[in-house]
Amino acid sequence: DIQMTQSPSSLSASVGDRVTITCRASQGISKYLAWFQQKPGKAPKSLIFDASTLQSGVPSKFSGSGSGTDFTLTISSLQPEDFATYYCQQYNSYPYTFGQGTKLEIK
Amino acid sequence: EVQMLESGGGLVQPGGSLRLSCAASGFTFSSYAMNWVRQAPGKGLEWVSGISISGGTTYYGDSVKGRFTISRDNSKNTLYLQMNSLRAEDTAIYYCAKSGTSIYYYVMDVWGQGTTVTVSS
Repeated sequence: DIQMTQSPSSLSASVGDRVTITCRASQGISKYLAWFQQKPGKAPKSLIFDASTLQSGVPSKFSGSGSGTDFTLTISSLQPEDFATYYCQQYNSYPYTFGQGTKLEIK
Repeated sequence: EVQMLESGGGLVQPGGSLRLSCAASGFTFSSYAMNWVRQAPGKGLEWVSGISISGGTTYYGDSVKGRFTISRDNSKNTLYLQMNSLRAEDTAIYYCAKSGTSIYYYVMDVWGQGTTVTVSS
């Protein structure tokens, strides 16, 4: 199985900040990497697929990059609604696997 | 609007069985692969199972293989997860998630709100 490792596990930032979350795959997954946002008590929401493509309706403050084994999610100009937990997930091969999550908290 | 509505969760004893359903609307269900993903209390996301458009191809996570069975009824726009030999560690919120027109290389782009399964005596 492909292991997905996110860092950091938690992150404290202020409104207006720009943050970057990293996701590393234990083997190459080409571009087949997604990022999800989850708020407490809610279902995950797809933000980015194919490593860098924004889902329809997702603001351009979210951006993704990478291929192969190393990927990043960048969120610019943080707003209160952006504080949530973020997960990466590979869909290159079964079983699909998620990173452990990054909890983004307000400083 | 694309929607999935899960049902069938509840409290079940260890060793028991439960069948989850996911009713889909707002899209051509028979044209999309589907998945189940779960989240244990206070934990991260775990992919459970996926099924192709026709239902002829299925995949399972290691922790549920041999105990869970995914299926679909395209005439009823409904996805199922039959869960047998349930264990305490199966306690979680179970989400259904729509994928792409192939079971391969498509993101899970729309998720239901989840149904809660609790395995306890």
